[in-house]
Amino acid sequence: GENVEQHPSTLSVQEGDSAVIKCTYSDSASNYFPWYKQELGKRPQLIIDIRSNVGEKKDQRIAVTLNKTAKHFSLHITETQPEDSAVYFCAAPSKETSGSRLTFGEGTQLTVNP
Amino acid sequence: DTGVSQDPRHKITKRGQNVTFRCDPISEHNRLYWYRQTLGQGPEFLTYFQNEAQLEKSRLLSDRFSAERPKGSFSTLEIQRTEQGDSAMYLCASNQGQYNEKLFFGSGTQLSVL
Repeated sequence: GENVEQHPSTLSVQEGDSAVIKCTYSDSASNYFPWYKQELGKRPQLIIDIRSNVGEKKDQRIAVTLNKTAKHFSLHITETQPEDSAVYFCAAPSKETSGSRLTFGEGTQLTVNP
Repeated sequence: DTGVSQDPRHKITKRGQNVTFRCDPISEHNRLYWYRQTLGQGPEFLTYFQNEAQLEKSRLLSDRFSAERPKGSFSTLEIQRTEQGDSAMYLCASNQGQYNEKLFFGSGTQLSVL
């Protein structure tokens, strides 16, 4: 099955700084890589995703980069704001189910200090 | 509300009792997933349905767990003979299937087994 490792487990930055969270995956056939944000006591919500046919995708202050050779992908948040404080999860699908089953990383607690 | 809804939000039970949770997905979504999340961890896949067919179960899932989606709409997850280790947040999610993998999560059912 898929193995997804996420680093760091906690990240504290000053407002306005950038934050980077990295994930590695084991299944070379994985072709879809989402990032979810979960605020305290709330449901996980997709913030950005990328498919294996592109190396980078950007949406305003959020970007995701993918290195298929090295089997890792990263979330980049620029100009961080206090409302970015949350737990962020990366995920990757299992090839056995054509992407139906997502394996999630253990999460990164991001704290943006005003 | 057109989001994924789950009921109940909280459930406290004694060890050995049976519990049942309900999930109502977004109406046009044909895939429905159950995940489990414990404190400080990412969601862990349990099982998923495409319409009324249960297509995959986690190999780690105990036979005390059973899920149904009889008419391809709402789903129930039953846990028999609950154990303290079953205490977790049970999350339901849905999506439109293979070509739109974005998961929409419900708010979850928090289970506490005493």
